[in-house]
Amino acid sequence: EVQLVQSGAEVKKPGESLKISCKGSGYSFTTYWIGWVRQMPGKGLEWMGIIYPGDSDTRYSPSFQGHVTISADKSISTAYLQWSSLKASDTAMYYCVRRTAAAGSGNWFDPWGQGTLVTVSS
Amino acid sequence: DIQMTQSPSSLSASVGDRVTITCRARQSIISYLNWYQQKPGKAPKLLIYAASSLQSGVPSRFSGSGSGTDFTLTISSLQPEDFATYYCQQSYSSPITFGQGTRLEIK
Repeated sequence: EVQLVQSGAEVKKPGESLKISCKGSGYSFTTYWIGWVRQMPGKGLEWMGIIYPGDSDTRYSPSFQGHVTISADKSISTAYLQWSSLKASDTAMYYCVRRTAAAGSGNWFDPWGQGTLVTVSS
Repeated sequence: DIQMTQSPSSLSASVGDRVTITCRARQSIISYLNWYQQKPGKAPKLLIYAASSLQSGVPSRFSGSGSGTDFTLTISSLQPEDFATYYCQQSYSSPITFGQGTRLEIK
């Protein structure tokens, strides 16, 4: 079974750093892009960026470029999303996703991790 | 960025009803359109990819259609477990963008 398992909920103060994780299993981790999606409380889905664990090629949404860092450690089949200085506005649920692509059909996200709730409050 | 607009934003329906949700792209995305279902407190789940392909394991009462700028998700006969929020998503160009969501509620 293809699975993405994320790290647990975090409560942090503004200005603190954070790194959350997403471990893939049941497939070849290095041959699929892994992305991150934000969902703020009561709001919709926002694509943040994506990484190819095989060579660490990384792409960011302009809305998140410079605010977060996406990385991966292929030796342990794990992708990461990190912040160097959190803000209250980073409070959200964060999902990792595996991207599947097919020629002429675009690409889609499946499966999704269970989500990591990040709360930033003083 | 390609803006995706769903309509309606919310919808009340009864078990057994046929329901259609619409997604419109600001520019042509050919058939690079996906649909997801999200239940409260859960991660989204892929229903339809490439506008009309049913994801494995998804009930056949779900179907998708459209190309270019206009797309629809249809549920042929609503079941109690279908009450959720539905999102469309384009993968034609970066950044990937989602519609704002359609909340399907029990009448």
